[in-house]
Amino acid sequence: NAGVTQTPKFQVLKTGQSMTLQCAQDMNHNSMYWYRQDPGMGLRLIYYSASEGTTDKGEVPNGYNVSRLNKREFSLRLESAAPSQTSVYFCASSEDRHPYEQYFGPGTRLTVT
Amino acid sequence: GEDVEQSLFLSVREGDSSVINCTYTDSSSTYLYWYKQEPGAGLQLLTYIFSNMDMKQDQRLTVLLNKKDKHLSLRIADTQTGDSAIYFCAGGTALIFGKGTTLSVSS
Repeated sequence: NAGVTQTPKFQVLKTGQSMTLQCAQDMNHNSMYWYRQDPGMGLRLIYYSASEGTTDKGEVPNGYNVSRLNKREFSLRLESAAPSQTSVYFCASSEDRHPYEQYFGPGTRLTVT
Repeated sequence: GEDVEQSLFLSVREGDSSVINCTYTDSSSTYLYWYKQEPGAGLQLLTYIFSNMDMKQDQRLTVLLNKKDKHLSLRIADTQTGDSAIYFCAGGTALIFGKGTTLSVSS
């Protein structure tokens, strides 16, 4: 099992450019999440998906869109990147029963200049 | 809203015990969690405690839960340099993460 995979690992964008971060899991989990991690801010939830076809906003959704393409894949799109979106992005998936352990991908380090 | 707070840094010597503390506001959490993040990697579940327990021990790890004070702690016995990482406390119905405590272990 690969667990949770993310692509790309690193990306540099110019302000105003768009890109999609890809995430896939092979654990048959219904729930998937996108977080951003910033120094001193911890982990903040951007969007989550409780099941295929559903998505919900988290704490910091502005400037992002998501697509739950199928049960395995959950993508995060930046339509017009801003320097404030420079961050490390983590995708995670979780079990549907207690203790709801979340499994994290290795992260995408994004820099917007 | 829900909040989880923890101190940002802890520095210990190899062989000592480390205690990382966390306070939370959402008393409805069924489970409370400790995640570990090693440099350049994603978070990994370290341990968790069911909300009706006071203590859970797992090898070198001891989790203490004080529900009255909404206080959670993680004790690492015989801390090793390989324990150097960021430790996140998490809980709440929406799984809120604390900002993380960076544990630095010196030899």
